[in-house]
Amino acid sequence: EPEVTQTPSHQVTQMGQEVILRCVPISNHLYFYWYRQILGQKVEFLVSFYNNEISEKSEIFDDQFSVERPDGSNFTLKIRSTKLEDSAMYFCASLDRSSGANVLTFGAGSRLTVL
Amino acid sequence: AQRVTQPEKLLSVFKGAPVELKCNYSYSGSPELFWYVQYSRQRLQLLLRHISRESIKGFTADLNKGETSFHLKKPFAQEEDSAMYYCALLSYQKVTFGIGTKLQVIP
Repeated sequence: EPEVTQTPSHQVTQMGQEVILRCVPISNHLYFYWYRQILGQKVEFLVSFYNNEISEKSEIFDDQFSVERPDGSNFTLKIRSTKLEDSAMYFCASLDRSSGANVLTFGAGSRLTVL
Repeated sequence: AQRVTQPEKLLSVFKGAPVELKCNYSYSGSPELFWYVQYSRQRLQLLLRHISRESIKGFTADLNKGETSFHLKKPFAQEEDSAMYYCALLSYQKVTFGIGTKLQVIP
């Protein structure tokens, strides 16, 4: 069964450092997403991406965040200058809208710890 | 704006008892609703969606547009059902999740 893969599974970084989280969505999906989950809290929408541009972003997704699809397979989330409160699980997801399937498939997540 | 409400953060039931995880939504369009499950230390997985009207692992959920609800039900809880359950609503571009309900099945 096709999977969304994410790397790294866990990253520890110092406050103020830049972090890039990587995702390989399912190959025939066209809609990509980043969500985050702070420990013990809900899954929060960050950003959606379609046709090589951001289609929607939340208030969480401020100027320190950016997303990119640098090639045909990877989808990255960059945090320019990490803050303590960025510590969370970050989930990538891709959506299959073909034939009305509309199934959002998640990766296993990347745990970010900011010290 | 779309919103998904799960009123219970924690639901504890005994094994074999019926389970109902509540979900209410707010959305101006025609909703597509899902239940996702997250077992301990694992990724979010799709459990079921209202379009397919299926039963997965004994769980069912019916969309009630009048009450704007999509409650998840199972007649007899099993220990392996213990997990976090998230109700989710799909709009054109975005999936919005509820806060999640932790289901704890007591042996």
